[in-house]
Amino acid sequence: QVQLQESGPGLVKPSQTLSLTCTVSGGSVSSGSYYWSWIRQPAGKGLEWIGRVSMSGSTNYNPSLKSRVTISVDTSKNLFSLKLSSVTAADTALYYCARYRYADAIDIWGQGTIVTVSS
Amino acid sequence: EIVLTQSPGTLSLSPGERAILSCRASQSISSNYLAWYQQKPGQAPWLLIYAASFRATGIPDRFTGSGSGADFTLTINRLEPEDFAVYYCQQYGSSLLTFGGGTKVEIK
Repeated sequence: QVQLQESGPGLVKPSQTLSLTCTVSGGSVSSGSYYWSWIRQPAGKGLEWIGRVSMSGSTNYNPSLKSRVTISVDTSKNLFSLKLSSVTAADTALYYCARYRYADAIDIWGQGTIVTVSS
Repeated sequence: EIVLTQSPGTLSLSPGERAILSCRASQSISSNYLAWYQQKPGQAPWLLIYAASFRATGIPDRFTGSGSGADFTLTINRLEPEDFAVYYCQQYGSSLLTFGGGTKVEIK
């Protein structure tokens, strides 16, 4: 059974770059037809899709974050990553990695990792 | 961007009662690609319904999704104690995935 696990710093200073990794176990990030994505949830609020990457490295981002986001995949390490630049307090949230297929619902989520932006 | 509006924000019910949750889209969702998720405190969302009306693997039949176009409903019959949670709808009919703001089903 595929499992996803987020990792990365829990505290990032304003204006710096937030970097998170999602390690895939029980399956391969190279499995065809899947999208590997990042979703965030500020405390007590709803969910926001950040973007996704495919096995081939093609990406699609939320326009509201596009200028600051990079999502990449490392097939050799079986993981994918999120970089969010120029962070502010508004980027403080619980960050989830997740998996879905084209034209399908999100079927697997990581447990989430909290990132706080503060000096 | 397709905006999803969920109502009500909070539903206060007793175990055994029926919950009816609404999700309205700002435009018609392609192929009714609308999902429902349940989220409990400290946990990631869990897929309940996909394509508006299909239960995900292992989801009890007291959960029913319905609707089409831009108007969708999640009905939970005979609420069990474990059903008290927050429910989100999400559309995947466009490449920009969006979620509703959520409905909290709380114990009355």
